[in-house]
Amino acid sequence: GENVEQHPSTLSVQEGDSAVIKCTYSDSASNYFPWYKQELGKRPQLIIDIRSNVGEKKDQRIAVTLNKTAKHFSLHITETQPEDSAVYFCAASPSGNTPLVFGKGTRLSVIA
Amino acid sequence: KAGVTQTPRYLIKTRGQQVTLSCSPISGHRSVSWYQQTPGQGLQFLFEYFSETQRNKGNFPGRFSGRQFSNSRSEMNVSTLELGDSALYLCASSESSSLEQYFGPGTRLTVT
Repeated sequence: GENVEQHPSTLSVQEGDSAVIKCTYSDSASNYFPWYKQELGKRPQLIIDIRSNVGEKKDQRIAVTLNKTAKHFSLHITETQPEDSAVYFCAASPSGNTPLVFGKGTRLSVIA
Repeated sequence: KAGVTQTPRYLIKTRGQQVTLSCSPISGHRSVSWYQQTPGQGLQFLFEYFSETQRNKGNFPGRFSGRQFSNSRSEMNVSTLELGDSALYLCASSESSSLEQYFGPGTRLTVT
C-alpha cells in the first residue's frame, strides 16, 4: 500500500522568509496530493491540492510542486506570517476510491 | 453550506465502556471517512462509508466499527475501550470520491 513520508517534522522560520515542506510517496499510481493546515485546537483545513497531470499549482503565497518521476511533492509558503504557524499534513491517494494516506505532519513556527 | 459537524465534542469514558460518535457531512456529500489523530502518529485512517456501505477499512481492531445512514450521517462505535483509544477522532466528508475531504472539528475522547 501507499506510504507517505514528510520532512521536516518541525520547522522554524523568520517572518517574511519562505518555508518548504517535502513529502515522498511510494505508490506510483498515486495521482492526488492534498495539503492540510491544522491550527492548534482546530480541524485540518484543505489549503491546496494537486493532481498528477500538472507539475505546479499556486494560490497566492502558497504553491505545491510535484515530481512524479522522483515520487515527491513539496509545499512552498512565501512571505511567511505568524498566522501561518500550524501543523501541515501532506497526503496521497492512488485513486478516488482509495483512502488518503497522510504524512505525520510538520509543525511550522513563524517567528515575528 | 454548513460545514461538517461532529458530536459530542468532548467525551470522557472509563476503560471497558463503549462509545458512539456522530458525524454529519456537508449537504450533498455522500462519502464520510473517519480518522484517529494522536500526537506523533498523525492521522490514521479508520474507515470510509459511501452510500451506506463501507468502502474502505484501515488497520484497526474489530472493536472499531461504523455505519452510515440514508441521509449520509455516520456514526462510529468503539467497544471495550482501552486507554490507548484516547485520541481526537475526526470525520471528513467528500462529494463522492475519497478526494477533497473536508474535516469536522473532531471528538476528543479520553479514556480513564
